[in-house]
Amino acid sequence: QVQLQESGPGLVKPSQTLSLTCTVSGGSISSGAYYWSWIRQHPGKGLEWIGYIYYSGSTYYTPSLKNLVNISVDTSNNQFSLKLSSVTAADTAVYYCARGQGLEVWFDSWGQGTPVTVSS
Amino acid sequence: SYELTQPPSVSVSPGQTASITCSGDKLGDKYAYWYQQKPGQSPVLVIYEDIKRPSGIPERFSGSNSGNTATLTISGTQAMDEADYYCQAWDSSTGVVFGGGTKLTVL
Repeated sequence: QVQLQESGPGLVKPSQTLSLTCTVSGGSISSGAYYWSWIRQHPGKGLEWIGYIYYSGSTYYTPSLKNLVNISVDTSNNQFSLKLSSVTAADTAVYYCARGQGLEVWFDSWGQGTPVTVSS
Repeated sequence: SYELTQPPSVSVSPGQTASITCSGDKLGDKYAYWYQQKPGQSPVLVIYEDIKRPSGIPERFSGSNSGNTATLTISGTQAMDEADYYCQAWDSSTGVVFGGGTKLTVL
């Protein structure tokens, strides 16, 4: 069974770049038609999809963040990463990585989530 | 952009049936997915492709989707079902869309 684990700084200064990594175990990140995704949840709020990288390398980002987000994959380490630039306090959230699948993307496996605070 | 609307809260007595709705424009033409999230935990998929249950999800969880509304139904609700529930769909212009979430209280 695939498992996902987020890692990265828990505190980022405003205007800097938030960088997180998701390590996948129990399966190869480059095998199978999966959408390796990032999702966040603001404190006390609902889920917000950020974007995904498909196993082929193509990416799709939510329109409201697409100019600020980059998702990449490191197949040698079975990881994928999120970079969110020019962060503000509004980017304070728990960030989840997840595995998506299906013609209409849905998520069957999630990481435990990592809290990120944007503050000086 | 595409939006999904859920009621903020639903209450149900133990053993009764809980229904949580999710509304979106022509949602019935898409697949609806449902996730359960308990405090401090990651979301867990409970329904996919409108009506299917992943392995390990109790039979009391069921789903439907028609017109503009998808519904998650929990029959014989148990205290352990108290959680936040999120619907999700895919839109070709917006990508993955989540509903705002519904807090299910079992009292």
